[in-house]
Amino acid sequence: SQTIHQWPATLVQPVGSPLSLECTVEGTSNPNLYWYRQAAGRGLQLLFYSVGIGQISSEVPQNLSASRPQDRQFILSSKKLLLSDSGFYLCACPGGGATGELFFGEGSRLTVL
Amino acid sequence: GENVEQHPSTLSVQEGDSAVIKCTYSDSASNYFPWYKQELGKRPQLIIDIRSNVGEKKDQRIAVTLNKTAKHFSLHITETQPEDSAVYFCAASTGGFKTIFGAGTRLFVKA
Repeated sequence: SQTIHQWPATLVQPVGSPLSLECTVEGTSNPNLYWYRQAAGRGLQLLFYSVGIGQISSEVPQNLSASRPQDRQFILSSKKLLLSDSGFYLCACPGGGATGELFFGEGSRLTVL
Repeated sequence: GENVEQHPSTLSVQEGDSAVIKCTYSDSASNYFPWYKQELGKRPQLIIDIRSNVGEKKDQRIAVTLNKTAKHFSLHITETQPEDSAVYFCAASTGGFKTIFGAGTRLFVKA
């Protein structure tokens, strides 16, 4: 079964600072990868998804970007953080079956002050 | 674009009572409807799912129903227990790349 590693687990950053969140996946090859954001008390918003190395699709306009430099690595970045970027960021991949289930990483909690 | 609406946003029940969470979706091509449970500070985890060729599915105290004509699907939890307290998300997928989530329901089960 697959495993998703996310780091850092917790991050406190000032407004205007850069951001880099990393996600690596084990136990599967060439997976679709996803970044979701969960704002406080809110639902799961799809930010980016990737079907392969170097292939990124953005779902919402924002000051965030994503990259997939390797098959099992997915990175979420920002050059200048905004207060509204605070939230719980979750990396996900398909659960391995044919159903469409998503398997999530443990998440990275970002607080922008 | 695709949209999934979920109600209620908060639900409080007494231990032993039933809880029902309802969702509607907009994309008629959706054919897979998972439900996730998220405990405080943790990642969402799949608890049950249903495909569009099935109207109802049950797993112990949890059941899901789907009405494709009305684009409605629901989660039913019977004999609720304090450990059922969590945030529950419905979602819809066309089986492609994207899964769209509802806004979540915070369930409180009072002992």
